[in-house]
Formats: sequence, C-alpha cells, structure tokens
Amino acid sequence: DGGITQSPKYLFRKEGQNVTLSCEQNLNHDAMYWYRQDPGQGLRLIYYSQIVNDFQKGDIAEGYSVSREKKESFPLTVTSAQKNPTAFYLCASKRDTLNPGNTIYFGEGSWLTVV
Amino acid sequence: GENVEQHPSTLSVQEGDSAVIKCTYSDSASNYFPWYKQELGKRPQLIIDIRSNVGEKKDQRIAVTLNKTAKHFSLHITETQPEDSAVYFCAASISGYSTLTFGKGTMLLVSP
Repeated sequence: DGGITQSPKYLFRKEGQNVTLSCEQNLNHDAMYWYRQDPGQGLRLIYYSQIVNDFQKGDIAEGYSVSREKKESFPLTVTSAQKNPTAFYLCASKRDTLNPGNTIYFGEGSWLTVV
Repeated sequence: GENVEQHPSTLSVQEGDSAVIKCTYSDSASNYFPWYKQELGKRPQLIIDIRSNVGEKKDQRIAVTLNKTAKHFSLHITETQPEDSAVYFCAASISGYSTLTFGKGTMLLVSP
C-alpha cells in the first residue's frame, strides 16, 4: 500500500481551471487506475492503463484526461469540461494486468474542491 | 458490462453481534470477488477475497461466501468490534480483464 503516492492530498480548483493530480508507484506494477468517489456512489472508474503509452476510458471519463509516459506515473488532469469535479480521487495499481486475482492497491487519495 | 449491487447501504449493530453484507453481480463470467474496508478519510484496503472455484473462505472473524448459481456473495463479520466501523465495498472481476467493478458500499456502525 505504501508504494503508491498521490499528491496533492487537498486541492482547490477555480471555475474554468484545469488541475492535475499526481500518482506515482514504486511497486513495479503494470496496471494503474483512477477512481472517483462520491458519497453513496461507491468507486467509479475514470481511466485505466495496462501498459506504458496506452490507456482506456472507464465509466466516467468525460472531462478528464490522463497520460502514461512512464510505468511509475499516471497523472490525471481534471479539465474545465468536468462540471462537477468536487470529489475524492483514488489512484490504484495492480501487478499483473490480466490476472484478476492480483490485488488492486490504492493510494491515499486526493480531495478536490471547486471554489 | 458487469453490474454489482450491494445491500444494505447502512448497517448498525451492537458490539459482539454479527454483520452480513450482501452483493449480487450480473456477469456469470466474473470469477474474482474481493472485499475492501475503507475507514473515514482513508484509502480502501483489501480485507478478504474469494475466487469462483471456492464456495467459502474464512480469516479469523471475517468470512466470505459465494453462490455462483445465484450470482451473489456475502461478507460475514462475527463478534463485531467498534474498530470494525467503516465503509465496506464488494467488487467483481472477470478473468482476462484488468478492471474491478465495485458496489456502492455499506457503512457499518458498531456501537459499544
């Protein structure tokens, strides 16, 4: 668990701004994920990446963008097109992309608030 | 795609009682079912998981059961303690796919 670092832990965004959430892992995991958590909504998948330079949209990708230039890093940009970005964002990773039995580990999370 | 339903959304018990949380899934191809515990303001952490070739798995006070025919699985916590208070998430995954689909969570409150 301690091998996934998210920053910042708290972030405030003004209307019309893009903001980027950082996620770094030193677990040598292949797959990385971004989830959004809202009260009563559980964990919803935004984007995921199974390999460097490749990523796929999750269930709620609109208004978000990602990149995977390095195996260790999977930053998430919340664009101005995301109309309701206030939420708790969780980055996660998994060692083997295709083995469902491998555990997904989560970072500490980032709280994003629109002001 | 896969859909996971979780019930109840909140559960209040007295210390020492048992707690049961139930989940159903839609895709019969799902074969991996983890449970995560999330304390307030913290990250979800895996507490137990089960694969489709097993009907039950236990770890001290925690157990998970799986009924593949009915496509549902349950988390059982015995002798609950106040520190068990948290939000619990079930999830399902299909072999060959990278992602987990989560239920909406159950807030468990254990009163002393």
